[in-house]
Amino acid sequence: QKEVEQNSGPLSVPEGAIASLNCTYSDRGSQSFFWYRQYSGKSPELIMFIYSNGDKEDGRFTAQLNKASQYVSLLIRDSQPSDSATYLCAVFSGNTPLVFGKGTRLSVIA
Amino acid sequence: DTGVSQNPRHKITKRGQNVTFRCDPISEHNRLYWYRQTLGQGPEFLTYFQNEAQLEKSRLLSDRFSAERPKGSFSTLEIQRTEQGDSAMYLCASSLHQGQPQHFGDGTRLSIL
Repeated sequence: QKEVEQNSGPLSVPEGAIASLNCTYSDRGSQSFFWYRQYSGKSPELIMFIYSNGDKEDGRFTAQLNKASQYVSLLIRDSQPSDSATYLCAVFSGNTPLVFGKGTRLSVIA
Repeated sequence: DTGVSQNPRHKITKRGQNVTFRCDPISEHNRLYWYRQTLGQGPEFLTYFQNEAQLEKSRLLSDRFSAERPKGSFSTLEIQRTEQGDSAMYLCASSLHQGQPQHFGDGTRLSIL
């Protein structure tokens, strides 16, 4: 069974710091990796996706993928209180649906 | 707004009743997905469509659940004889192609009394 693991948190960081969120996955054949942000009571919102090993940057967000170690991470620079949310890691492996982790709750303290 | 649209946003019903949810995907997306999410969990896959064809159903989807996408546009998810355990957020997402980012609607929150 394909699994995606995330630390449930909460991860607390001070405002302005870098938040680092990690995710590991079990299927070595996984191809596409996604990070979603979910505010309480709301639906998931796509914030980053990455397909190749290495880093991908978009504004304050950087996704990092290491297929050999089967982990993907999300860095949030200059964290803001508005970044406080649950961050979901999702992994796609060929002809199977997206598999989501349970999410990491991030709290940015002003 | 041309995002994914779901109706209703909230549904409260008595146990044993039937409910139906609707999802309108992003117009050019041919893949449509249904998920269920409960508190503290990530979304769990239920089923998905490529155009009007239902290509996969999760083992989570009991025979009380049925989904359709009759003309390859909007989709409906019906739950018959609802049970307490069906209380959850039902999420719909769409994507252009397999493996590409999925975009979610606002969800339908189902509460079973």
